[in-house]
Amino acid sequence: EAQVTQNPRYLITVTGKKLTVTCSQNMNHEYMSWYRQDPGLGLRQIYYSMNVEVTDKGDVPEGYKVSRKEKRNFPLILESPSPNQTSLYFCASSQKPYRDRAWGNQPQHFGDGTRLSIL
Amino acid sequence: GIQVEQSPPDLILQEGANSTLRCNFSDSVNNLQWFHQNPWGQLINLFYIPSGTKQNGRLSATTVATERYSLLYISSSQTTDSGVYFCAVEPSGTYKYIFGTGTRLKVLA
Repeated sequence: EAQVTQNPRYLITVTGKKLTVTCSQNMNHEYMSWYRQDPGLGLRQIYYSMNVEVTDKGDVPEGYKVSRKEKRNFPLILESPSPNQTSLYFCASSQKPYRDRAWGNQPQHFGDGTRLSIL
Repeated sequence: GIQVEQSPPDLILQEGANSTLRCNFSDSVNNLQWFHQNPWGQLINLFYIPSGTKQNGRLSATTVATERYSLLYISSSQTTDSGVYFCAVEPSGTYKYIFGTGTRLKVLA
């Protein structure tokens, strides 16, 4: 089954304790991305990756790191979490965006989300 | 940067009613998608529609890229249609995705 898997689904932790949220996809997608969702603000992109070893900042990258050592995995790292990073996080993947392909649809597939609470 | 606005912000319908959700964007885009976030928080892809019209069952979508808007039509709404509907765009010249703030739909039985 084609899917994007995030872990953990829920996490309560304390300020300053490093954490990693894992994301894995089994669709051989080149493009992967992280979003955070906050009430009234919709989803905002944190980082994205066009392929292995290629990452770039989204709109809200401060306080986050990512890595893309393998095509299927795109972990989100919070080196020193703070309460303002309490949020619902989503990972997504797709084939390369539209203009790199001559055919077909490239919809984003989302994981089920990770709810982080940082006290 | 590009602005993505959705309207209405909230919508309450009786089961069986039809509705139109709108997504306006302030600059040219390469890609536009509609999503449904169900009450359990899952994001479901509805349409990938950078231009033109598509239909899938009771749902259809139209994007007029030259006029910078997209519409999502829901016909004969059902209680399972409840949730939040988002549009997301990929601005031209970037590989980013920008989401609108969503339309919260509640369908009453």
